[in-house]
Amino acid sequence: ETGVTQTPRHLVMGMTNKKSLKCEQHLGHNAMYWYKQSAKKPLELMFVYSLEERVENNSVPSRFSPECPNSSHLFLHLHTLQPEDSALYLCASSQGVWGAFEAFFGQGTRLTVV
Amino acid sequence: AQKVTQAQTEISVVEKEDVTLDCVYETRDTTYYLFWYKQPPSGELVFLIRRNSFDEQNEISGRYSWNFQKSTSSFNFTITASQVVDSAVYFCALHAGNNRKLIWGLGTSLAVNP
Repeated sequence: ETGVTQTPRHLVMGMTNKKSLKCEQHLGHNAMYWYKQSAKKPLELMFVYSLEERVENNSVPSRFSPECPNSSHLFLHLHTLQPEDSALYLCASSQGVWGAFEAFFGQGTRLTVV
Repeated sequence: AQKVTQAQTEISVVEKEDVTLDCVYETRDTTYYLFWYKQPPSGELVFLIRRNSFDEQNEISGRYSWNFQKSTSSFNFTITASQVVDSAVYFCALHAGNNRKLIWGLGTSLAVNP
């Protein structure tokens, strides 16, 4: 496999559920990102990891909890979400954390909170 | 303040037509980078081009071309002889300063009809 792979592609969860999104990159990149894409809003950067260390958390509510066990894998743990958290969640990776590096994106997880 | 404006929300053309997607940016930094990404229906954002602020030469890649004009703070994208496979949402983005974030436009949804 090559590129950035996200699972699951679609997820429906209740507000009291706990679920996790998974991202895997096979590009040898050092930086990984979680983005949230909502309709009619700019892409929102949520978290940035560099070599498994979280280097940025953009005021994301604590009901979103990221985990980066190694430089190839990134998780987003979800619990007690709200309906407004329904969105497309995109994972990306790049050579480094500098914002001007080309980013490679996964296909996203379409999350619906009911 | 840094900002990216893509004034065209949706564009619809017939195959083989030329189409230009507009991008206007704002930044006070003298060093910055501009990007275009394509998001097909499959979801992943695909990098198309990065241009730095010191290089105003226009770029051509096959049917794609980009016109960077600092005088008007614009970085427009033209698809020549459009094809149905060009149907996607196209995002313009800006990176400026010493940070990790990209400033994203809201995207232009392009529909190329047979």
